[in-house]
Amino acid sequence: DAKTTQPTSMDCAEGRAANLPCNHSTISGNEYVYWYRQIHSQGPQYIIHGLKNNETNEMASLIITEDRKSSTLILPHATLRDTAVYYCIVRVAEETSGSRLTFGEGTQLTVNP
Amino acid sequence: GAVVSQHPSWVICKSGTSVKIECRSLDFQATTMFWYRQFPKQSLMLMATSNEGSKATYEQGVEKDKFLINHASLTLSTLTVTSAHPEDSSFYICSARDLGRGGGYEQYFGPGTRLTVT
Repeated sequence: DAKTTQPTSMDCAEGRAANLPCNHSTISGNEYVYWYRQIHSQGPQYIIHGLKNNETNEMASLIITEDRKSSTLILPHATLRDTAVYYCIVRVAEETSGSRLTFGEGTQLTVNP
Repeated sequence: GAVVSQHPSWVICKSGTSVKIECRSLDFQATTMFWYRQFPKQSLMLMATSNEGSKATYEQGVEKDKFLINHASLTLSTLTVTSAHPEDSSFYICSARDLGRGGGYEQYFGPGTRLTVT
C-alpha cells in the first residue's frame, strides 16, 4: 500500500470549513483513498473513500487531484465534536490477502470555539 | 452504518492472568476481522488478521502464542492475552470487514477495550 503524508496538527474555528490535506504521490491505479477519524479513546470511524472522482456524503467531501497524488478532506462546517485525529489511508479495495488498513500518524484536528 | 461491538470496554487484571476480549459484528457478516493495539499518543498498530474458520495471520513482531485469536463464526472473533504483563497494557481495537456493501470493503471498528495489567 502507498505511503501517505499528513500534517501533524491543524486548527479550525467552529462553523468554518476544515480542509485536511494528504499526499500520496506513490499511489497505484488500483488503490483507493480512505479517510477515517478517531476521537479520543474511541475506535476509528469511517468517513469517506474514493478512487479518482470527488466524493461527498453526509459527513464530508473528498477532493482528489487529477494526478491522484494528493487529496483533501473537507468538513464543511466544523463543530467541536469534529475534534479528532484524521487518518488518510491508501489501499487496494478488493478482497486480497494483503488488503487491510494500516494507519500512519494522522492529523490532529482541533476545532476551537 | 455497520456496527461492531467489543466486550469488555475496559478491564483490569493482575500480572500473569489471561484476559479475553470479544469482538462482534452486529448487523453484518464479516469473514475477515482485524485486531489492532494502540499505546498512548501513538497510532494504531495492526496485530493480526483473522479469517473465519482459519488460523490468524500475525504481523511481524507479534507473539502468536501470547495473543490468541479465534474467529469461530462470521460475527465473532476473540483475542485472548495470555499471561498478561504490565507492558501489555494498551487500547485494543477490533475491526471487521463488510463484504456486502458497495464493493469498497470498508472496515468498521469497534469502540476499543482498555486493558490495564497491574
